[in-house]
Amino acid sequence: GEDVEQSLFLSVREGDSSVINCTYTDSSSTYLYWYKQEPGAGLQLLTYIFSNMDMKQDQRLTVLLNKKDKHLSLRIADTQTGDSAIYFCAERRNNAGNMLTFGGGTRLMVKP
Amino acid sequence: EPEVTQTPSHQVTQMGQEVILRCVPISNHLYFYWYRQILGQKVEFLVSFYNNEISEKSEIFDDQFSVERPDGSNFTLKIRSTKLEDSAMYFCASSVGQPNGKEEQFFGPGTRLTVL
Repeated sequence: GEDVEQSLFLSVREGDSSVINCTYTDSSSTYLYWYKQEPGAGLQLLTYIFSNMDMKQDQRLTVLLNKKDKHLSLRIADTQTGDSAIYFCAERRNNAGNMLTFGGGTRLMVKP
Repeated sequence: EPEVTQTPSHQVTQMGQEVILRCVPISNHLYFYWYRQILGQKVEFLVSFYNNEISEKSEIFDDQFSVERPDGSNFTLKIRSTKLEDSAMYFCASSVGQPNGKEEQFFGPGTRLTVL
């Protein structure tokens, strides 16, 4: 099937690193994205990675892409309580125009 | 910072009624999108719109749905005869429009549609 999968829930302590994982099945994906959704809010674009890259770092965020295993991860360093939200990965496939296919989201809970 | 806005934030309607959800995309963006998220489910693509016509649509986007850019700023989604299963959060998004580019899509806060 052509689906994007994420684990449902992650709980970390404030100050620790969080790693949110995502798997996808379509090898033609060109760009992969991470979005954040806070309660009652829309989807905020956090970062993206192009499929010919292995890693991208943006301040506290590190995106790792293993294209062979079709595995994407988002690492948040020094996680803060304000990072508590639902995180969605999304892929843009080469043969699907601009349409994004989303995972189900991972709820990150940061405990003080 | 420019952002996508949507109105209303919450719409309640009776089954069979028509609803229009409104969006104001970011002003220099050329591509516009609607997605929906049924409670507890994934965000699903509905339709993309470029140059005053639909560029892609999913199988969800059937004859009950239509989109329009009635003027230079608004982008609307119309559901002609709402069904209970249309209850969802509807997100509008827009992007600059970079063929084969990174195509960052910026999302609005969503309209929660409740069909009774």
